Amino acid sequence: EVQLVESGGGLVQPGRSLRLSCAASGFTFDDYAMHWVRQAPGKGLEWVSGISWNSGSIGYADSVKGRFTISRDNAKNSLYLQMNSLRAEDTALYYCAKDIRGGFSGGSSGFDYWGQGTLVTVSS
Amino acid sequence: DIQLTQSPSFLSASVGDRVTITCRASQGISSYLAWYQQKPGKAPKLLIYAASTLQSGVPSRFSGSGSGTEFTLTISSLQPEDFATYYCQQLNSYPPLFTFGPGTKVDIK
Repeated sequence: EVQLVESGGGLVQPGRSLRLSCAASGFTFDDYAMHWVRQAPGKGLEWVSGISWNSGSIGYADSVKGRFTISRDNAKNSLYLQMNSLRAEDTALYYCAKDIRGGFSGGSSGFDYWGQGTLVTVSS
Repeated sequence: DIQLTQSPSFLSASVGDRVTITCRASQGISSYLAWYQQKPGKAPKLLIYAASTLQSGVPSRFSGSGSGTEFTLTISSLQPEDFATYYCQQLNSYPPLFTFGPGTKVDIK
């Protein structure tokens, strides 16, 4: 059974940092691209960042570029999101999601498994 | 960057109705589009990818079509468990960008 378990969320002051983790199990982690998607309270889905199977291709939403860094450790079956210079508008539930593909080129994609999310609240 | 719009943003329907949701892209995206269903308090669920490929385990009453800039998600006969919010999502390969549409909430009439 595929499982994605996020951790690391919490209450943080504006300008501070937080590191999210996602522990994956039930599939061959290093075969698939992975993503972070967030959802502010009462709002829609926003893709935050994605990383290919071998970390060779990485993308970020404009809203987080230069502040957030995605990474993965295939030996530990783990995905990470380092979030710096946090702002109030970063407050959201952050989901870890598995891609149906390993990379981003040459075809369509979709996120077939999702965690339950970890809540990040940025407030003074 | 490519923008996605969805219409309608809200629709009220009855069990058994045929429902169609449209997603439009600001420029052509070939068939690089997915559809998701999200229920309150739950993570999204992948329904369709590559514009028309049904994800494993998804009921056949769901179907997707389109290419280029206009796409549709159709539910052939709405069931009680289908009342939810639906999102489209596009993939741009380089640089990687996976933009979601604003969502369409399907409510009970």
